[in-house]
Amino acid sequence: EAGVTQSPTHLIKTRGQQATLRCSPISGHTSVYWYQQALGLGLQFLLWYDEGEERNRGNFPPRFSGRQFPNYSSELNVNALELEDSALYLCASSFGTGLTIYFGEGSWLTVV
Amino acid sequence: AQTVTQSQPEMSVQEAETVTLSCTYDTSESDYYLFWYKQPPSRQMILVIRQEAYKQQNATENRFSVNFQKAAKSFSLKISDSQLGDAAMYFCAYRSAHSNSGYALNFGKGTSLLVTP
Repeated sequence: EAGVTQSPTHLIKTRGQQATLRCSPISGHTSVYWYQQALGLGLQFLLWYDEGEERNRGNFPPRFSGRQFPNYSSELNVNALELEDSALYLCASSFGTGLTIYFGEGSWLTVV
Repeated sequence: AQTVTQSQPEMSVQEAETVTLSCTYDTSESDYYLFWYKQPPSRQMILVIRQEAYKQQNATENRFSVNFQKAAKSFSLKISDSQLGDAAMYFCAYRSAHSNSGYALNFGKGTSLLVTP
């Protein structure tokens, strides 16, 4: 069974541009979580989608947004990129609000 | 909002020895879940162990066990018979049991564990 897959693995963007990151959850999982892992800051919760709707949002500005598609895959969009957006972005999935969530290997975003 | 604190940025242990990683958290809730995750150099987060707050018995998974002190809001991880493969970043995490608080995990900043031969 395939795990959580994320693409791209690495992405380099210029300040002010937009970045789009993608996540495919484990088959059958309906919830997708996005986390930002910046150097020295641990994992910061960004967004939670379940059954196609945004259920919860972390303390991030509106230029961080996303959506969940009917097949439960998800994308994270970051507009007006700033240097401090450089981080590893981790996606995780679970079956509904289940306690066990599974993480992908992340997408590295570098803003120059 | 619930906060999770890991006061040890780095820890070191010799192979076959035992090490304890500390975690404290702040919450006003009575029902919640606590987790320890391991992040090896591959960066993929792996669940090590989970504790339900309503359970008094400490969770155990093979060489990994926790010391859950609910009143003290403390949740430490003990790794026995440490192995080289245990070297990783370890994160403590909190999750509410209530939908109005959301179900996302709140993570501490992590403890880097070095295992020496």
